[in-house]
Amino acid sequence: AQSVSQHNHHVILSEAASLELGCNYSYGGTVNLFWYVQYPGQHLQLLLKYFSGDPLVKGIKGFEAEFIKSKFSFNLRKPSVQWSDTAEYFCAVRTGTASKLTFGTGTRLQVTL
Amino acid sequence: SAVISQKPSRDICQRGTSLTIQCQVDSQVTMMFWYRQQPGQSLTLIATANQGSEATYESGFVIDKFPISRPNLTFSTLTVSNMSPEDSSIYLCSVESGQLINTGELFFGEGSRLTVL
Repeated sequence: AQSVSQHNHHVILSEAASLELGCNYSYGGTVNLFWYVQYPGQHLQLLLKYFSGDPLVKGIKGFEAEFIKSKFSFNLRKPSVQWSDTAEYFCAVRTGTASKLTFGTGTRLQVTL
Repeated sequence: SAVISQKPSRDICQRGTSLTIQCQVDSQVTMMFWYRQQPGQSLTLIATANQGSEATYESGFVIDKFPISRPNLTFSTLTVSNMSPEDSSIYLCSVESGQLINTGELFFGEGSRLTVL
């Protein structure tokens, strides 16, 4: 069965710092990859997704992620974080044709002023 | 997009009792998904609920413990039966929507936080 690993459980950054959150998955076939975000007091929402094509995908609020197939990775990046980026970030993978997703354990990002 | 409402948003329950969580969507959807998020852990899919058929349960989850109803295309319920403290968790309803069928792109409710004493 596929699994998703997020190695950073809690990240604290100052505003304007650069962000990179790691995500690795274990599955040898075709995958669709997602980053979801949960802001405090809000529901989970999609940040960005990769289905095919350009492995560098851009999402909302200046976030981007790069799919590196050889490394089974889909790391999330942002050049300069803002206080409003404080949230929990979940990486997820979909395999095959089913709609169900396998999620990582999440990374809690705290951005300080 | 889809707007999903869950009830209750939180509850505190006694061991051995059962609780039913409701999920209402503002549009008709084919599949609805129930996830569990235990403290410090990732979201885990409990089951997929299709209208007009039995729910499909993931490994480790059984219908007797988590019965699901799906009476129409906008509504579903998940019951947590004979609860124990290990069932303390956030339960999330999610759906695909519109043209996003079978893509894995999901919309989520705000979750139901359940505490079992």
